[in-house]
Formats: sequence, structure tokens, C-alpha cells
Amino acid sequence: EAQVTQNPRYLITVTGKKLTVTCSQNMNHEYMSWYRQDPGLGLRQIYYSMNVEVTDKGDVPEGYKVSRKEKRNFPLILESPSPNQTSLYFCASSPQWGESEQYFGPGTRLTVT
Amino acid sequence: GQQVMQIPQYQHVQEGEDFTTYCNSSTTLSNIQWYKQRPGGHPVFLIQLVKSGEVKKQKRLTFQFGEAKKNSSLHITATQTTDVGTYFCAGRFSGGYNKLIFGAGTRLAVHP
Repeated sequence: EAQVTQNPRYLITVTGKKLTVTCSQNMNHEYMSWYRQDPGLGLRQIYYSMNVEVTDKGDVPEGYKVSRKEKRNFPLILESPSPNQTSLYFCASSPQWGESEQYFGPGTRLTVT
Repeated sequence: GQQVMQIPQYQHVQEGEDFTTYCNSSTTLSNIQWYKQRPGGHPVFLIQLVKSGEVKKQKRLTFQFGEAKKNSSLHITATQTTDVGTYFCAGRFSGGYNKLIFGAGTRLAVHP
């Protein structure tokens, strides 16, 4: 089944404890992206990747890192999480940039205390 | 920076009533996409509009892209309880801007 998977789905952590949220797609998509969703703000892009080893900042990149060493994986890293990073995170992929729809993962609900 | 404004934020309707959500940008969009997110779910792609003045229909849903490619709307005729969720527009801006900017979404509640 074609899909985008994220892990973990739920995570409660403490301030400053490094964490990684994994994202994987099995559709051979070139483009991948991370968003955070907060009430009243919609989806805001954190980072995106046009292809392997090509990443760039979105609108809210502060406090996040990403890497794209393989086409299928695009992990999101929070080196030192803070409470303002408590949010719902979505990974998305699309065949290519420009005209393509995005396929979203199921989401990761992160709480930082 | 580029922004996509979406209204209303919330809409409550009786089943059978119509519903419309609107998106506006201050600058020209190269295309606009619409997504639906069911409660507790993830956004799911509905449609993409590319051409000026384009109108597309999916059963009871009608999508429009403005002549100036700065605004778009989604209209649902005769809402059903299955239409419940949050509808997002997402605009892609001209000039090689490699981002899709989402509106804040319109949450639709349908009362039976």
C-alpha cells in the first residue's frame, strides 16, 4: 500500500531532551516536507527536500533539523526541544515539486513539558 | 512574506445547507490546492486549480480559481454529515518559490 509513515505517533518529552521523528514513504517520491499544525494557524512548513541531499528551510525552521540521506526517509530532529514546539507534526511527500499533490503521513502529536 | 488568508474560521450548518470557504492572496498564485482533514486525521488532497478562472466539480463540491489567480473558493452543495472536517487551501506562488503556503483552514460542523 502506498503510504507515508511517521513514528512515533505520540510523544511526551521534557525540555532539552533530543528527539527524532521518523518519516518514510514507499512511493519513490522526490519531494518531502515537514509541517507543524497549530490551532488557528493551519499548516506551516518547517523544512522541505527536493531530493536526496537537497534540503531547505520552510517558514518556521528554528529549532529543527532535517536530513535526506535516502530518498524514502526524511527524519525531523529536535536537538533541544522547548515547550513552544508542542504541536501536531505532519510529514508529506509528492512525486515532484510544482504540480503534484502532497500525500500526508498520519501525524505525530508532540508534547514538550 | 507570502500569505494565504482563509475565511471563515468556523462554519456551523444544518445538514442540507450549503457551505462556502474562501481563500485570498495578495500576490498571484501559480496554482492552488485544496485539502480536507477529518477530525483526528491527516490532510487529504482534494483538487488542484491551475488556470485563471478555472472551475472544477467533484460531485457536490465546486472549486473556483479567480481570474486574477489571487483567490479561490470551495462550495459544498447540500452538506452531509460526512462533510465534517477542516478544509484547507494551499497556494503555490509564482517565481520559483518552492513552498506551498496553507491557509488557516475552515472547520465545518454539520448538524443533522
